Amino acid sequence: DTEVTQTPKHLVMGMTNKKSLKCEQHMGHRAMYWYKQKAKKPPELMFVYSYEKLSINESVPSRFSPECPNSSLLNLHLHALQPEDSALYLCASSQLTGQETQYFGPGTRLLVL
Amino acid sequence: GQQVMQIPQYQHVQEGEDFTTYCNSSTTLSNIQWYKQRPGGHPVFLIQLVKSGEVKKQKRLTFQFGEAKKNSSLHITATQTTDVGTYFCAGLSGAGSYQLTFGKGTKLSVIP
Repeated sequence: DTEVTQTPKHLVMGMTNKKSLKCEQHMGHRAMYWYKQKAKKPPELMFVYSYEKLSINESVPSRFSPECPNSSLLNLHLHALQPEDSALYLCASSQLTGQETQYFGPGTRLLVL
Repeated sequence: GQQVMQIPQYQHVQEGEDFTTYCNSSTTLSNIQWYKQRPGGHPVFLIQLVKSGEVKKQKRLTFQFGEAKKNSSLHITATQTTDVGTYFCAGLSGAGSYQLTFGKGTKLSVIP
């Protein structure tokens, strides 16, 4: 099973809203990632968690707040977003073996009004 | 920092023609991965290349990793309309690294 699930599939929010994106994997992977993908662009790394600890934050604004409650779950809390934050948000996971194949979830399409 | 260049950006082919996309890294890679993203979809893992000079095949797809482990290619023989999508290469720079650097992708259109 190489499935990574994400909810919701679509999200529309205002600039004053607070929302959360959720990601889950049951492959026993110990690294989980958040990416942002704008149209016609490659995925852009935001955060990396390894063994439930934040190991990489790619200078992401504080209006994005990641959380890793356990080894299977990854959340991204959103607050006071801007319209330019509208994008496809992808979660991925990998085994953390040093030859890392990353498996992506279907993503959440976010529109900020 | 590490950069991965990918060309061409777009490719339009007649169904049945061949297609190739190329990636070149500014630094030596520990491995390179290829993903396909269909329109409206998410990146789907295709293959990982690890060894210098490695060649792997998946049906009509042939993947190569250069001898210097700095370049890679994906070749599709006799394209079909199901091959439509954007193909991304993504490189890992060192042993133990898990931070992929993506190329900008090649968007393939197949004219029936």
